Amino acid sequence: EIVLTQSPGTLSLSPGERATLSCRASQSVNSNYLAWYQQKPGQAPRLLIYGASSRATGIPNRFSGSGSGTDFTLTISRVEPEDFAVYYCQQYDTSRGFTFGPGTKVDIK
Amino acid sequence: QLQLQESGSGLVKPSQTLSLTCAVSGGSISSGFYSWSWIRQPPGKGLEWIGYIYHSGSTYYNPSLKSRVTISVDTSKNQFSLKLNSVTAADTAVYYCARLEWEYWNYFDYWGQGTLVTVSS
Repeated sequence: EIVLTQSPGTLSLSPGERATLSCRASQSVNSNYLAWYQQKPGQAPRLLIYGASSRATGIPNRFSGSGSGTDFTLTISRVEPEDFAVYYCQQYDTSRGFTFGPGTKVDIK
Repeated sequence: QLQLQESGSGLVKPSQTLSLTCAVSGGSISSGFYSWSWIRQPPGKGLEWIGYIYHSGSTYYNPSLKSRVTISVDTSKNQFSLKLNSVTAADTAVYYCARLEWEYWNYFDYWGQGTLVTVSS
């Protein structure tokens, strides 16, 4: 099973600052199969990024994804008040299916 | 706009079977490039994929849950269902149904609001 590790666990930022979230895999992931989600309290996760770097429909361009192999990054260029949430990475492996990372919480400094 | 809505028992006794249904509206469950999935989230914890089903009825389950899970589809009602047997307190979670794009990218793009299932006597 591919294990995803996310860092940091919590990221404290002020609005307008840049957020850099890391997702590291225990073995190489097909970049086509790496996605990022945002989850706010009491809500379902929302797809942000798929294929490691493609924004989902309706996602603002301040969100961007990058990476390959075992290291992937979600960047929020300037954090808006509505961006304070938990962010999860997700991968798909043809032999074991889907796994999610433990999440990074972005909160207000 | 596609919508998914979970329904089912919110309280299940230990050792019994958890049963949930996801009703899909605003689109057909028989759409070729998508499959239909269940994902759960224990309170205050992360996400765990349970399994998915194609409209044809083919299924794929998380190996860690495979022995206890059954996912089925009813295309005439545009819905799919989850059964998880022999539940314990560790199965207490918010259960989400979601649409899975499987052809190219393997991501979950539409989600239900989630339903909390508590396992307790």
